[in-house]
Amino acid sequence: AQRVTQVQPTGSSQWGEEVTLDCSYETSEYFYRIFWYRQLFSGEMVFLIYQPSFDTQNQRSGRYSVVFQKSFKSISLVISASQPEDSGTYFCALSELITNTGKLTFGDGTVLTVKP
Amino acid sequence: EAAVTQSPRNKVAVTGGKVTLSCNQTNNHNNMYWYRQDTGHGLRLIHYSYGAGSTEKGDIPDGYKASRPSQENFSLILELATPSQTSVYFCASGDAGDKEVFFGKGTRLTVV
Repeated sequence: AQRVTQVQPTGSSQWGEEVTLDCSYETSEYFYRIFWYRQLFSGEMVFLIYQPSFDTQNQRSGRYSVVFQKSFKSISLVISASQPEDSGTYFCALSELITNTGKLTFGDGTVLTVKP
Repeated sequence: EAAVTQSPRNKVAVTGGKVTLSCNQTNNHNNMYWYRQDTGHGLRLIHYSYGAGSTEKGDIPDGYKASRPSQENFSLILELATPSQTSVYFCASGDAGDKEVFFGKGTRLTVV
């Protein structure tokens, strides 16, 4: 069975700082994907970035990047130059099936506050 | 842009009543999903579908049914609503190999 753990229930940073949010996961599959979503205060889920297990390169997308440590089954989301608009809840999610990407197992999220 | 629309956005239901949550997607995706999110937690998968006429059980299907009458529409049905089903429900769509799953804005259901 798969499981996703986000041990930081909350986090904070100052405007312009780099922020790192941690996630660990359990899976017996060789092929899987890890997604990061941000939930706005309205409840809307916004896709940020994903890391496929078979790619050894850390993915990047704009100010978002990941640090993928496959052997430790951990992945961190790094937000560079954080802004108050980045505040919200960040979810890590695991998809074990390449053919059914939307079957996601979510962590409980980290609530990030970026102070001006 | 990919669009997933849920209705209603808010619903108050009585215990023992029947509730139907509707979802429509204009993405022409084969796969659709229903999740619930309880306060302070991540989303959990209830049911999903691979296409019209197909429904599959997710991780927490008890107390819920699903219906996929067409490619665009996917409904979640609570035949006998209970207060424990008070939650926010999200519909999503996506296809095999997609890098992203598209979520609706959620339906807040309160069962009193």
